[in-house]
Amino acid sequence: RKEVEQDPGPFNVPEGATVAFNCTYSNSASQSFFWYRQDCRKEPKLLMSVYSSGNEDGRFTAQLNRASQYISLLIRDSKLSDSATYLCVVEGEDFGNEKLTFGTGTRLTIIP
Amino acid sequence: NAGVTQTPKFRVLKTGQSMTLLCAQDMNHEYMYWYRQDPGMGLRLIHYSVGEGTTAKGEVPDGYNVSRLKKQNFLLGLESAAPSQTSVYFCASSYSLSSTQYFGPGTRLTVL
Repeated sequence: RKEVEQDPGPFNVPEGATVAFNCTYSNSASQSFFWYRQDCRKEPKLLMSVYSSGNEDGRFTAQLNRASQYISLLIRDSKLSDSATYLCVVEGEDFGNEKLTFGTGTRLTIIP
Repeated sequence: NAGVTQTPKFRVLKTGQSMTLLCAQDMNHEYMYWYRQDPGMGLRLIHYSVGEGTTAKGEVPDGYNVSRLKKQNFLLGLESAAPSQTSVYFCASSYSLSSTQYFGPGTRLTVL
């Protein structure tokens, strides 16, 4: 099983719709979780951290399900500017050292 | 603050040539990383550093060397470039191994 798995998409969603992505992780001991956004031909940038109780930032909601080992990202009232690739990032361990593992990303296109 | 910068932005090499990619950060971060990103593969960690004068291997270190002589700089070297090293290279830095990583704009390298 991969450390972090995401549905690559693409998700093609009409403007104004709600869209959700999931990301599964394999290390049950992971403590830190993030969603990054990457625009075409640009660097990844932090979108939001994911907290145990779930958290919102405007139209974006992130949730963590430890029992099933997945995190989710919900985008409400989607905008054209939300078109990007969304990377799931999970903290894990490599020979006793903490590290972040990046998923391969889910590509989202918002259609006018 | 410039954040994380990378030079050069683009480079074309012939097989067997060598080059050095420079990463600089002005956030006083201890931790720095080099990733490569290929289509469908996501971000893969090449090498990382947990402080000045220290380096460690990541997931795909073969064919690359790194140095961290100054806290703010992290250099990635290719001694004898191969076509398989054609990729987009991202540098990142962070406060700790499991905290938010800040990325540079990337270097697009083509090896012919």
